[in-house]
Amino acid sequence: QVQLQESGPGLVKPSETLSLTCTVSGGSINGGNYAWTWIRQPAEKGLEWIGRTYISGSTNYNPSLKSRVIISIDTSKNQFSLQLSSVTAADTAVYYCVRQVMGKGYFDYWGQGTLVTVSS
Amino acid sequence: QSALTQPASVSGSPGQSITISCTGTSSDVGGFNFVSWYQQHPGKAPKLMIYEVSNRPSGVSNRFSGSKSGNTASLTISGLQPEDEADYFCSSYTSSTIYVFGLGTKVTVL
Repeated sequence: QVQLQESGPGLVKPSETLSLTCTVSGGSINGGNYAWTWIRQPAEKGLEWIGRTYISGSTNYNPSLKSRVIISIDTSKNQFSLQLSSVTAADTAVYYCVRQVMGKGYFDYWGQGTLVTVSS
Repeated sequence: QSALTQPASVSGSPGQSITISCTGTSSDVGGFNFVSWYQQHPGKAPKLMIYEVSNRPSGVSNRFSGSKSGNTASLTISGLQPEDEADYFCSSYTSSTIYVFGLGTKVTVL
């Protein structure tokens, strides 16, 4: 059973960079045709797709966040990461790392989510 | 890319059927069969319930079904049970090669 677990600071100051890591267990991040994705959810609001990476290292980002986002992958550690720069209070949300089945458009395994609050 | 439109809330009595709509455009819901539905209980991560419009993952009850007509997708829950009370989100692939979600529908079992 594949499991994903987010880790990183729960509090980030405005204008700084939010950094999160997702550790994949129960299977190799190299195995199968998957995209490794970040999705966030502000309190009492809907879900927002941030972007995704592949084992090749290529990426796709939401245009609304593209100028501030970097998603990277480290296959040797079975991890992928999110960096979001110049954060504001609007970036306060629960951040999920998620596995997406390539070519199928759905998200089958989700991490439990981690709350990141942007505040001074 | 705008969020998909879902009703804020839907309710029903145990045993009844309810349907949640998810309306987009020809650039997302209407243009692709990559519509999926997720169930989210409070404080929990979303769970995949339906993928590719109408397919159920292994382990999901057959009381959940999906369909699509034009730019609107639908999730039907038949034989409503107390444990179905949750938030439900739809998602679609888009022509911009990104994914968009609905704002969510709160299902209440009366």
